[in-house]
Amino acid sequence: DTGVSQNPRHKITKRGQNVTFRCDPISEHNRLYWYRQTLGQGPEFLTYFQNEAQLEKSRLLSDRFSAERPKGSFSTLEIQRTEQGDSAMYLCASSFGGAAYEQYFGPGTRLTVT
Amino acid sequence: AQTVTQSQPEMSVQEAETVTLSCTYDTSENNYYLFWYKQPPSRQMILVIRQEAYKQQNATENRFSVNFQKAAKSFSLKISDSQLGDTAMYFCAFILRNAGNMLTFGGGTRLMVKP
Repeated sequence: DTGVSQNPRHKITKRGQNVTFRCDPISEHNRLYWYRQTLGQGPEFLTYFQNEAQLEKSRLLSDRFSAERPKGSFSTLEIQRTEQGDSAMYLCASSFGGAAYEQYFGPGTRLTVT
Repeated sequence: AQTVTQSQPEMSVQEAETVTLSCTYDTSENNYYLFWYKQPPSRQMILVIRQEAYKQQNATENRFSVNFQKAAKSFSLKISDSQLGDTAMYFCAFILRNAGNMLTFGGGTRLMVKP
């Protein structure tokens, strides 16, 4: 399978714990995006990487959130001191270039904070 | 800032019939792309169709076509000969052409195709 993969697919954690998600983009794609999707809503942009550089961050990305993309390959999204409001589906997407290029989405990681 | 609005939270259609999903957007920019994405239950989001704002001709992909009205900032999706596999959430999305790094999505329309 050469699509975008995300791990884990599901994560249940207790409030206050830290969690980390991983995204593996399509190998030749240099752009990687993170979105958050709450139940019944459309995805909302969180952050974007071009190669290893994080070039844009949404106001939704509080200081408890951090994302990395070492060596311009896979990416991780960490949430520290999770809150119940962090419960959502976290989607990763990748693309070969800018706006003209299709963003390919992964299956997402569903986070439940209890 | 750009916004995308989908005014139909849920719709249903009989198999083999035609259905149209509505989308309006707001932007002060002139160069952008519009998309319809499909998100089947428990499956990942996939691109259905794309429209470049500078093209007057409406995009078509097999049974899927759009009605793009730039002046009205309207971008509807028509699904012809609906199939059971079309059952999904459908999201309208927008991205700026020259400085676009993020997709802005509408709230989605849940489409149920009934046998």
